[in-house]
Amino acid sequence: EIVLTQSPATLSLSPGERATLSCRASESVTRNLAWYQQKPGQAPKLVIYDASKRATGIPARFSGSGSGTEFTLTISSLEPEDFAVYYCQQRSNWRCSFGRGTKLEIK
Amino acid sequence: QVQLVESGGGVVQPGKSLRLSCAASGFSFSTYGMFWVRQAPGKGPEWVAFVSPDEMIKYHTDSVEGRFTISRDDSKSTLYLQMNSLRTEDTAVYFCARDRLESLRFPSHYYDFWGQGTLVTVSA
Repeated sequence: EIVLTQSPATLSLSPGERATLSCRASESVTRNLAWYQQKPGQAPKLVIYDASKRATGIPARFSGSGSGTEFTLTISSLEPEDFAVYYCQQRSNWRCSFGRGTKLEIK
Repeated sequence: QVQLVESGGGVVQPGKSLRLSCAASGFSFSTYGMFWVRQAPGKGPEWVAFVSPDEMIKYHTDSVEGRFTISRDDSKSTLYLQMNSLRTEDTAVYFCARDRLESLRFPSHYYDFWGQGTLVTVSA
């Protein structure tokens, strides 16, 4: 099973700041990686897929980059509604897996 | 708009069975691959099972293989998860989710719409 390691576990920032979240895969997943946003009591929401493609309705301040084993989700200027837990997910084979998440909290 | 509504969760003893349902609306259910994804308290999501649009392909994660079975009834636009021999480690919120692509044989394995989830608690 491919293990995804997310860092940091918690990121404390203020609205307007830039957020950089990392996801490392235990082996190459090429660009088969997605990012999801989850708020308390809600289902996860697809933000980025194929490493860098924004899902429908996702604002341009969200961007994804990376390939192979190292990936980054960047939020260029944080809005209050962006504070949530973010999970990366790989789909390089049908045995998909998720990371443990990064909690993005208001400083 | 796309809606997925799960039901069937509850509290059950180890070794017992439950069947989860997911009623879909707002899209052509029969042309999308569908998934069950679960999330234990305080943990990240975990993919559980996949079924292709024509039900010819079914995958289950190793930890539920032989105990859980995914199925679908396109006439009712409903997805099911039959869960047998439940274990305490199966305790989680169970979500149904739609594949991002409308594909018969090549799902994207990205989940673009999710239900609100149904809680399954396995406890003696």
